[in-house]
Amino acid sequence: EAEVAQSPRYKITEKSQAVAFWCDPISGHATLYWYRQILGQGPELLVQFQDESVVDDSQLPKDRFSAERLKGVDSTLKIQPAELGDSAMYLCASSFDQGWAEAFFGQGTRLTVV
Amino acid sequence: KNEVEQSPQNLTAQEGEFITINCSYSVGISALHWLQQHPGGGIVSLFMLSSGKKKHGRLIATINIQEKHSSLHITASHPRDSAVYICAVRNSGNTPLVFGKGTRLSVIA
Repeated sequence: EAEVAQSPRYKITEKSQAVAFWCDPISGHATLYWYRQILGQGPELLVQFQDESVVDDSQLPKDRFSAERLKGVDSTLKIQPAELGDSAMYLCASSFDQGWAEAFFGQGTRLTVV
Repeated sequence: KNEVEQSPQNLTAQEGEFITINCSYSVGISALHWLQQHPGGGIVSLFMLSSGKKKHGRLIATINIQEKHSSLHITASHPRDSAVYICAVRNSGNTPLVFGKGTRLSVIA
């Protein structure tokens, strides 16, 4: 069964270091989402792509976070420099299109900044 | 922005009990999702609703559009149902999902 792949599953990094997460959506899914989930909270959208274009990055802290989806397939989310408050689960999801389609989630990357 | 509230925040049940988790939202929506998140973090979509009721195995989801309320029911609960259940809504076709904080369910044998 097709699934959204994320790596790494776990990442521990020191503050001020750079860290990157990778997501490979389900084949054929044009829409890709990155969410951040702080412990005990629901996921919050960081960035939404439609193919290679950013549709919504209003909640992305652009001073330290960047995201790209150069060929409209897989995507990378980067944090530089990482801060203690960035410790969270980073979830990637994809859907066939932006509308009614159901979103499928990856397993997530759990980031711990020390 | 839609405000999504779930109740209860935490729920402990004995195996076999009937469980209800509630979700209310503040603004009219185009779709509501119920999601399940296990301790490892991965999220699985259980239901997507725009009206009425859906059933899958021991899970039942209902939505009342007029009251802006949805419920997720689990019949004959089992320890493997232990997870965080998250309600998420979409205001209109192209807007991103807005998530509730989740309900942490523990089912004890």
